[in-house]
Amino acid sequence: AQKITQTQPGMFVQEKEAVTLDCTYDTSDPSYGLFWYKQPSSGEMIFLIYQGSYDQQNATEGRYSLNFQKARKSANLVISASQLGDSAMYFCAMRGRNNAGNMLTFGGGTRLMVKP
Amino acid sequence: NAGVTQTPKFQVLKTGQSMTLQCAQDMNHNSMYWYRQDPGMGLRLIYYSASEGTTDKGEVPNGYNVSRLNKREFSLRLESAAPSQTSVYFCASRGPNTEAFFGQGTRLTVV
Repeated sequence: AQKITQTQPGMFVQEKEAVTLDCTYDTSDPSYGLFWYKQPSSGEMIFLIYQGSYDQQNATEGRYSLNFQKARKSANLVISASQLGDSAMYFCAMRGRNNAGNMLTFGGGTRLMVKP
Repeated sequence: NAGVTQTPKFQVLKTGQSMTLQCAQDMNHNSMYWYRQDPGMGLRLIYYSASEGTTDKGEVPNGYNVSRLNKREFSLRLESAAPSQTSVYFCASRGPNTEAFFGQGTRLTVV
């Protein structure tokens, strides 16, 4: 079974500073993928960034980067130069393959609050 | 570009009533998912379908059934609604090399 853990229920960050949101995972699949999503108060799920288990380099998308440490089974999201609009829930998710197909499992989320 | 469309957006049911949540995607994705999200919580997987004609249980399947009607459509049925099923329900679809795309969610209240 695959499992995603986000240990920070809530975090504050000062506007314009960087922040790291933690995500650890557990899987026996050799091939898997890790995603981060943002959910603002309006409720929609917004895809941010993806890292494949065989990718050699850490993924980056604009102000978002993923600190992928395979041996430690962690995939932390780094947001640089935080903006007020970054205040939202953030979810880490993992795609794995079991005998029946591709499961997509989410962590419990971290609420990020950006202070002006 | 519709993406993933869920209906209805809001629903109130009485305990014991049944209903079906509809989901359709126009991206030719094989994998489709149903999640529930309780207040302040993450998304918990109810059922998923890796391809047309196949469905599998996720973390919290009890009280739900699903049908993968065709490649586009994946419906979630509550046969006898209970207050514990009050939640926001999300449908999602994913291609082999893409992220998951989500519908706007269905806010269901069971009284």
